[in-house]
Amino acid sequence: ETGVTQSPTHLIKTRGQQVTLRCSSQSGHNTVSWYQQALGQGPQFIFQYYREEENGRGNFPPRFSGLQFPNYSSELNVNALELDDSALYLCASSLGGGLDGELFFGEGSRLTVL
Amino acid sequence: GENVEQHPSTLSVQEGDSAVIKCTYSDSASNYFPWYKQELGKRPQLIIDIRSNVGEKKDQRIAVTLNKTAKHFSLHITETQPEDSAVYFCAARGGAGGTSYGKLTFGQGTILTVHP
Repeated sequence: ETGVTQSPTHLIKTRGQQVTLRCSSQSGHNTVSWYQQALGQGPQFIFQYYREEENGRGNFPPRFSGLQFPNYSSELNVNALELDDSALYLCASSLGGGLDGELFFGEGSRLTVL
Repeated sequence: GENVEQHPSTLSVQEGDSAVIKCTYSDSASNYFPWYKQELGKRPQLIIDIRSNVGEKKDQRIAVTLNKTAKHFSLHITETQPEDSAVYFCAARGGAGGTSYGKLTFGQGTILTVHP
């Protein structure tokens, strides 16, 4: 059991709406990264948080934003939702700023945008 | 940034045969190469990984090889079983001095089907 939990597991939104996804990292892990996995594709790196600071970002627009809290849990916020945002959003936790060691993935939040 | 190419996109084998999946990467500074297995509707799970200072690693029926000069790495599964059927992803993590430092870039995935 990896210990990374995500909520909600499934949700449906309409274009233009906003969504917040949540992630609790595995105990002791100080780094959380977020990935977007479209159907039939590999996960795409969105951004990473280490000790409450963003320390890496992929090719996603500013309407994708995040937070990490003092207990190392994290949120992913997406504004002005578009149809192409429909995907599985995966959170992964690790140690050391993501520079070393295994990533432990949560089960994901499946977002459908209509 | 890093680019990871994975082949083949689908692979069908008979139970007991071997399966090989290959990946290439572009960032020579990448230093960590994990392989994930993802079953339908489930999260990716690490099955084996290799670091850039090692050429080969084996864990029971699974092995990974790394050729840093050619910038490619491969997953080998021997004596395949129907429960090995899943989507497999390779990934590469950028190292210091590279354009993808600390970032994990995934391949496009290989759908492996093992027929009984």
